[in-house]
Amino acid sequence: GAVVSQHPSWVICKSGTSVKIECRSLDFQATTMFWYRQFPKQSLMLMATSNEGSKATYEQGVEKDKFLINHASLTLSTLTVTSAHPEDSSFYICSAKQGHSNQPQHFGDGTRLSIL
Amino acid sequence: KNEVEQSPQNLTAQEGEFITINCSYSVGISALHWLQQHPGGGIVSLFMLSSGKKKHGRLIATINIQEKHSSLHITASHPRDSAVYICAVRVDGNEKLTFGTGTRLTIIP
Repeated sequence: GAVVSQHPSWVICKSGTSVKIECRSLDFQATTMFWYRQFPKQSLMLMATSNEGSKATYEQGVEKDKFLINHASLTLSTLTVTSAHPEDSSFYICSAKQGHSNQPQHFGDGTRLSIL
Repeated sequence: KNEVEQSPQNLTAQEGEFITINCSYSVGISALHWLQQHPGGGIVSLFMLSSGKKKHGRLIATINIQEKHSSLHITASHPRDSAVYICAVRVDGNEKLTFGTGTRLTIIP
């Protein structure tokens, strides 16, 4: 089946550091990738939707200058959390979808980010 | 009121029991997903449904579009089925998924 690889799986860093998370589709071309954030015991919250070669569409309340998304190729999207602070500590997970809307989303294994 | 409601929120059962998790939604949808999230956080897509019923191994998913309701069934449950099961819908005309709050399932040996 379709595989989405997310890296790193776990990050601990100091406040003020920028952290980059990669999301790769390994065996299909991902025309659309989604970035989610999940706080403990809560559901996934969509942060942004990115289509290859175009600017990401951010959900209301998500700061686009803080959460930089790049979808430069059909197999790679990156999320950079700039100048991270403890309140950015969360579980970040990406998903990727191939082609038109009837295709399912395939999820990565997520990145647990802890900012000290 | 959430657009996607799941019940129960938590479910503990003995190994071998038949499990049912319910999902109700209040919007028009083009598809409904059942997802499984293990303690480590990774998410596996179990089913994508737009009508009827699908079966994969011990898992069965059904959807009733008129009643805006879906169920996920697990037969002969096993401790390895312990996870959070999430219902998510794709609203008509939209690529985004709207998620339920999940059902935490624990199967006791």
